[in-house]
This record gives sequence, structure tokens and C-alpha cells, in this order.
Amino acid sequence: GQQLNQSPQSMFIQEGEDVSMNCTSSSIFNTWLWYKQDPGEGPVLLIALYKAGELTSNGRLTAQFGITRKDSFLNISASIPSDVGIYFCAGSTTSGTYKYIFGTGTRLKVLA
Amino acid sequence: DAEITQSPRHKITETGRQVTLACHQTWNHNNMFWYRQDLGHGLRLIHYSYGVQDTNKGEVSDGYSVSRSNTEDLPLTLESAASSQTSVYFCASSDWDDEQFFGPGTRLTVL
Repeated sequence: GQQLNQSPQSMFIQEGEDVSMNCTSSSIFNTWLWYKQDPGEGPVLLIALYKAGELTSNGRLTAQFGITRKDSFLNISASIPSDVGIYFCAGSTTSGTYKYIFGTGTRLKVLA
Repeated sequence: DAEITQSPRHKITETGRQVTLACHQTWNHNNMFWYRQDLGHGLRLIHYSYGVQDTNKGEVSDGYSVSRSNTEDLPLTLESAASSQTSVYFCASSDWDDEQFFGPGTRLTVL
């Protein structure tokens, strides 16, 4: 099945550093979502993007809908230990179906 | 508070047995989804439903079935469990928007 390429797969960073991750696809998407999953729990929605070029923030998190509509980016500024987890992107090619393709995830570990 | 629950949280079964995983949501959401999560694959859609009596196949539906007899529940049945179905299963629900609320997951092991 179709998958999104998400990178990096994992990263260790120092507390206070900024983090960047991205997702790319061969398909054009109408919607991009970014989720975070803590160990032993289900994913929780962080940011939703609906328009090419859109830049949306949620606290220290900022996500962008790529101009080509085939990619999206998530930045975390001034990371803290509770940012640890797996971050997933998800994209939808058809508005109104609420069906999403998920990326393989970026595992983030923050060193205090 | 409204929530989405899954049971059991952990299940070990044998190859060939029928297994049913429960998903219950109290948000009165129309849309419900089942995913499996495996290393290297992220979340893959198994089945989904847009309302009572509606069910649809997702990307990896072979060997699985669902039924939607009411708004709150979407049980997932593995007709004859196979070792390839060892995975973590997540149920999610949403209203008529893009935010899906996920349950805590069920870890299934098929021996």
C-alpha cells in the first residue's frame, strides 16, 4: 500500500534545541495532519493543514503544508523532555473521506 | 467525559482461532476506524465506518471484518488468526471533520 516517506526515522537531541522533521509523498494531498504518540497510548492530533503553503503553529510546534502539496514539515522549538515520543504525519488525497495515509513516524528522544 | 476505549488491552491467541477486539466511543461520532501499527509501517487502515450499518474496506482488510450495529461500537473480528496479524491495533473515531481521536490500543499476539 501507499506510504509516506517520513524522515528522519529517529533523532536524539539536547533539551533546548530545535527539531525539524518532514514527510514526502509521490501523491498530491489535500490535507496534512501531524500526530504525536506517547509510549503505550494512541496518537493525538497536534496540527491540521488544509492549504498549500499554509503555516500553522500550536505552541512551540509549527507545521507547514508544502507548496507542491506533496510534502509537509514539522518544527519543534526549544525542545523539552516531554517532547519525547513518535511523531506521525498523515495525508489525505480526497477531502471529505476522512481517510488518511500515515507516515512511518519519527522517534524523538530528548536528552536533558 | 467522553472517551474511546478498547478491550482487551492485551491478548494472546493461537493460530486459527477467531478473535474479536472491542472499540467503544461515547462522543456519538459517526466515523470510526480500525488501524494496525507495525514497526516500519506506521498506521495502516483496516476497516472504517461512516455510520450505523455502513462498513468499508481499508488498505489491509484481508482476514478482518467489522460490523456497525450502533453508533458507539465497531468491533473488529479476525476470522482465523494468523501470526502475520500479530500487531498493535488502534481504533479511532471522528465527527465530520479530520480530527480522529484514538483509543489506547490493543496488543495482539498470535502464536
